[in-house]
Amino acid sequence: QSVLTQPPSVSGAPGQRVTISCTGSSSNIGAGYDVNWYQRLPGTAPKLLIYGNNNRPSGVPDRFSGSKSGTSASLAITGLQAEDEADYYCQSYDSSLSGWVFGGGTKLTVL
Amino acid sequence: QVQLQESGPGLVKPSQTLSLTCTVSGGSISSGSYYWSWIRQPAGKGLEWIGRIHTSGSTNYNPSLKSRVTISTDTSKNQFSLRLSSVTDADMAVYYCARSVRPGGYDWFVDSWGQGTLVTVSS
Repeated sequence: QSVLTQPPSVSGAPGQRVTISCTGSSSNIGAGYDVNWYQRLPGTAPKLLIYGNNNRPSGVPDRFSGSKSGTSASLAITGLQAEDEADYYCQSYDSSLSGWVFGGGTKLTVL
Repeated sequence: QVQLQESGPGLVKPSQTLSLTCTVSGGSISSGSYYWSWIRQPAGKGLEWIGRIHTSGSTNYNPSLKSRVTISTDTSKNQFSLRLSSVTDADMAVYYCARSVRPGGYDWFVDSWGQGTLVTVSS
């Protein structure tokens, strides 16, 4: 069981908006540590999508955005496209474990 | 653009030691301030951080694996390695090597990943 909790799956039609939640605790997200998001397209390695809660690396479309509040974070994807179909993972640091923790991953299906 | 490539046996017998190497190109593992990490993903499960080694040589390991894990570097070959002892079925996974950075004001995050290598545990 992952330290950070994500829904196993979400879905949406092209053009719609979806959000993926990431719930932690007072020793990770709630302690103020950054949340980062990674996208893993089928058959490929994960790729950085959002860092520092709400920052996009160059090349990531502004359709992707991140937010954080309390012990949770969210990834929002607007204007859903077929190529967004992938697995998404949140990641943070946990002070009680003195290391990184990941969410279990969320599979996004574009209907 | 830094690139990472994992290599090592794809099959390990139970109770033996898993050894993987990550070859880094496009940058030196001994310069700058980076963490070089190992992360794995068992089939059907999420990502699990195994451990990391800093450019300075300091290491951090996942407490659940700490007694069995060693991460080291070979700067002459621009490689870093993972050794995981006493493997069991639970260690069967795709293993990724990765580089992490910490731009000013932010926590560490992975900016470059290897393509991953599948390790099967079977006699």
